[in-house]
Amino acid sequence: GEDVEQSLFLSVREGDSSVINCTYTDSSSTYLYWYKQEPGAGLQLLTYIFSNMDMKQDQRLTVLLNKKDKHLSLRIADTQTGDSAIYFCAPVPMDSSYKLIFGSGTRLLVRP
Amino acid sequence: NAGVMQNPRHLVRRRGQEARLRCSPVKGHSHVYWYRQLPEEGLKFMVYLQKENIIDESGMPKERFSAEFPKEGPSILRIQQVVRGDSAAYFCASSPPERGAGEQFFGPGTRLTVL
Repeated sequence: GEDVEQSLFLSVREGDSSVINCTYTDSSSTYLYWYKQEPGAGLQLLTYIFSNMDMKQDQRLTVLLNKKDKHLSLRIADTQTGDSAIYFCAPVPMDSSYKLIFGSGTRLLVRP
Repeated sequence: NAGVMQNPRHLVRRRGQEARLRCSPVKGHSHVYWYRQLPEEGLKFMVYLQKENIIDESGMPKERFSAEFPKEGPSILRIQQVVRGDSAAYFCASSPPERGAGEQFFGPGTRLTVL
């Protein structure tokens, strides 16, 4: 089955860019999602990319996909303290398009 | 336009008791998903339901766990004879049928503590 790996922790200074990385194993993944989880809350969909794209930009967010290496990244420009949260990448396997597979998440801490 | 509602938000049970977790999807959404999150881990898929049907329960433990999504009313995740290892956050998500299934809208979760 799909396996998703993320680094556990990232600390950046307010105003800097943050880059959160993710690797996955299932090359048939059709969509790849990024979710954000704030403390004590559910997950909020941030953005997603189709597997036939290699980049998607959405305001401060840029998603890069290297399908050959099965590597996904989320770049947050001008990171704010409100961006402090846990970020999950979630590929969707082709054979079960509804089943989000989550890694352990990357905890982003933004220092003032 | 209310999002996904879950109740209770916090639930404490003693070992051997039953836990019932409720989920009301976004109005108009007919697909419901349940996920479990253990401390310091990501969410793990448990079950996918449509109205009155279980589509995929491959992530559900074989015993003690059951889920339903009746024609009327919320989806229910039921855990019988709870054990300490069931302590976790349980999240419900919903999606409309016409959108990509990965665009799931999550509720705030129910945090279950088993004493």
